[in-house]
Amino acid sequence: EAQVTQNPRYLITVTGKKLTVTCSQNMNHEYMSWYRQDPGLGLRQIYYSMNVEVTDKGDVPEGYKVSRKEKRNFPLILESPSPNQTSLYFCASSIHTGAIQETQYFGPGTRLLVL
Amino acid sequence: KQEVTQIPAALSVPEGENLVLNCSFTDSAIYNLQWFRQDPGKGLTSLLLIQSSQREQTSGRLNASLDKSSGRSTLYIAASQPGDSATYLCACDSGTYKYIFGTGTRLKVLA
Repeated sequence: EAQVTQNPRYLITVTGKKLTVTCSQNMNHEYMSWYRQDPGLGLRQIYYSMNVEVTDKGDVPEGYKVSRKEKRNFPLILESPSPNQTSLYFCASSIHTGAIQETQYFGPGTRLLVL
Repeated sequence: KQEVTQIPAALSVPEGENLVLNCSFTDSAIYNLQWFRQDPGKGLTSLLLIQSSQREQTSGRLNASLDKSSGRSTLYIAASQPGDSATYLCACDSGTYKYIFGTGTRLKVLA
């Protein structure tokens, strides 16, 4: 089954404790992206990757890191989480060839609470 | 900078009604526009993708149109059902690999 998986689904942590949210897709997609969703603000893009070893900032990259060492995985790293990073996080992937981008497939989300 | 607006923020209709959801964007230079559905506590499910060269896309009871010159897209839902209740989001890709989402329209279809 074609899918995007995220782990963990729920996470409670404390300020400053480094954490990683994993994202994996089994569709051989070039493009992967991370979003956060907050009430009243909608989804905002954090980072995206066009292929292995190619990443770039979205609209709200501060406080986050990503890496793309393998095509299927795109982990989101919070080196020193703060309460304002409490949010619902989504990973997505899609085919992206040239100027054509196909529909994005989203993971189920990771709900993060930073105390 | 691209801004995407969805009005209304919430909509409640009786079952069987045909309805239109609106999405407006400020920069007409988009590569594509997508409509998604989000159920409470769930991820997003893609409904329709319209490339910039297209005017509309259809899938079952759903029809999405795109008018780049006016900066508008509409999602038409025919014969609405209670199972259509969800939040509907539109998102623009301006060709910079960045997606800008609207804040969504929360739809409730009453049985």
